[in-house]
Amino acid sequence: KQEVTQIPAALSVPEGENLVLNCSFTDSAIYNLQWFRQDPGKGLTSLLLIQSSQREQTSGRLNASLDKSSGRSTLYIAASQPGDSATYLCAVRKGAGTYKYIFGTGTRLKVLA
Amino acid sequence: EAGVAQSPRYKIIEKRQSVAFWCNPISGHATLYWYQQILGQGPKLLIQFQNNGVVDDSQLPKDRFSAERLKGVDSTLKIQPAKLEDSAVYLCASSAGNTDTQYFGPGTRLTVL
Repeated sequence: KQEVTQIPAALSVPEGENLVLNCSFTDSAIYNLQWFRQDPGKGLTSLLLIQSSQREQTSGRLNASLDKSSGRSTLYIAASQPGDSATYLCAVRKGAGTYKYIFGTGTRLKVLA
Repeated sequence: EAGVAQSPRYKIIEKRQSVAFWCNPISGHATLYWYQQILGQGPKLLIQFQNNGVVDDSQLPKDRFSAERLKGVDSTLKIQPAKLEDSAVYLCASSAGNTDTQYFGPGTRLTVL
């Protein structure tokens, strides 16, 4: 059974810092991995999607890496801003035949001005 | 383009009562998902519809939960009777068919007393 874990559960950093969020999964046989952002009282927004054959994806100040063999992904946020404050979730898709995602527990990020 | 709409946004009921949530997906989206997100956890897929048909309901507690998607558009998720452990945010998402991009609604926060 696939389990997805995110560490740390919460993180508070001063504005301008570069930071790394971690995601680990127990079954390396994944199809792809997504990073989402969730703001309080709102739904999820997809940030980055990495296919199993890829090593990393970049969007603006965000960079996500994937090491399938070790069951790990990281989300790197450069020059953090107060507007980055949110909960970040990673999710893995099991296989090509399903669009079902298994979500991690999330990291709650607070960027202090 | 209007996003995914959900109602109500908040609901408080007593255990053993019934409750229903409504979701209106983005126009033209064939696939609709219902997720349960318990506080401090990631979303868990309850049921996935493709047009009118159910694709995956393996994690839906069918003894008390039911869902329908009439005419392949709106969907309703019902809980009858509710238990204390059903307290959670219920998220609806939609996608344009076979794609990884899901658009999430703001969710309905259910509190069972």
